[in-house]
Amino acid sequence: DAGVIQSPRHEVTEMGQEVTLRCKPISGHDYLFWYRQTMMRGLELLIYFNNNVPIDDSGMPEDRFSAKMPNASFSTLKIQPSEPRDSAVYFCASSRRTSGNEQFFGPGTRLTVL
Amino acid sequence: DQQVKQNSPSLSVQEGRISILNCDYTNSMFDYFLWYKKYPAEGPTFLISISSIKDKNEDGRFTVFLNKSAKHLSLHIVPSQPGDSAVYFCAASAHRAGNNRKLIWGLGTSLAVNP
Repeated sequence: DAGVIQSPRHEVTEMGQEVTLRCKPISGHDYLFWYRQTMMRGLELLIYFNNNVPIDDSGMPEDRFSAKMPNASFSTLKIQPSEPRDSAVYFCASSRRTSGNEQFFGPGTRLTVL
Repeated sequence: DQQVKQNSPSLSVQEGRISILNCDYTNSMFDYFLWYKKYPAEGPTFLISISSIKDKNEDGRFTVFLNKSAKHLSLHIVPSQPGDSAVYFCAASAHRAGNNRKLIWGLGTSLAVNP
């Protein structure tokens, strides 16, 4: 089975540009999570979806960040406009309703905003 | 306010010996705990979990112990192998509270297993 797929793996952009990160969860998983990892703050949950509906977006840092899940097999995290402090590794993860709470992670997108 | 704390940023052990990674938490609502392993340039990989109704869970070389009164859990790896060298994250959730799926993460402990 394919794991969680994220694209792009690396993104370098200039301040002020729009950035879109993409995620395909594992087929059959009900939950999708977006995380950000930085050296200072570690892994932070930004938002998670259940059956394509956002459940908790309290971790989204500000209005420049938005996430959508138009169907069960695709989600996007958008940053507009991007700022240098958004530079981090962004992970997508998915899990099944019937699992304890084991989340399966994608390889991450390393974002650098110049 | 760090609700899940891994106070040792790094740990070094000899191959074949036991590795013990520790994790403390502050929120008494947490009822489900997980350990993940992360290699560079990869996403975290689930390793082992434990529910608050248990005090021990074992899977091969990996055992997690939970001490609820002390709000402390530990991961034991026996015997340690060079391939275990990675960053280990502890995570917790208040799972039974409305089926909350939010995981709170520690900052990780970097384990180096020396041949």
